[in-house]
Amino acid sequence: DAGITQSPRHKVTETGTPVTLRCHQTENHRYMYWYRQDPGHGLRLIHYSYGVKDTDKGEVSDGYSVSRSKTEDFLLTLESATSSQTSVYFCAISESGGIGYGYTFGSGTRLTVV
Amino acid sequence: AQSVTQLGSHVSVSEGALVLLRCNYSSSVPPYLFWYVQYPNQGLQLLLKYTTGATLVKGINGFEAEFKKSETSFHLTKPSAHMSDAAEYFCAVSVTGGGSYIPTFGRGTSLIVHP
Repeated sequence: DAGITQSPRHKVTETGTPVTLRCHQTENHRYMYWYRQDPGHGLRLIHYSYGVKDTDKGEVSDGYSVSRSKTEDFLLTLESATSSQTSVYFCAISESGGIGYGYTFGSGTRLTVV
Repeated sequence: AQSVTQLGSHVSVSEGALVLLRCNYSSSVPPYLFWYVQYPNQGLQLLLKYTTGATLVKGINGFEAEFKKSETSFHLTKPSAHMSDAAEYFCAVSVTGGGSYIPTFGRGTSLIVHP
């Protein structure tokens, strides 16, 4: 979807290095989310934001931090990457917190930690 | 807390055959229900949703789903499968909880369409 972009699309990094993934939206939606997708687990919520500087943890938040200093950008940081964080990461946005309209997803970032 | 169960990690059909992907949910309050589709190397795309009102909802690409409260189900169907329907399908349930409507996703069902 043209209204939401993720960068980078692919990244290979070494264990122990910090990594930041970016989600950028042009829809001016209030809610933004970070999910990871792993085989057999579906999508699991890492963190989400309900406004600038307002964030909360999801079910798999350990080892991850987020920041949202402006409406359009939501950053996901792996402070010290581990092999268990190898995954595909998706950002999603929502106008109304998910009800009514559902989510719009980005195309994903494939992260490999070696 | 809500939960979603998708029966069958893989479903295989022939082109032109009926598609039926099963989703059951658990929720103590009226749910909002969604089906998403994911094509290879892409993000998820909303297929259809149930919020309130008519229990049979129609979505894109000829898919539809029926909310059955008594069976706590929201199965996805399509009368005639097309090769382009081959993808991963996710069911999701969302309920209000402290003002949040964070959905819970199922583990996904991979639809395989044979010529």
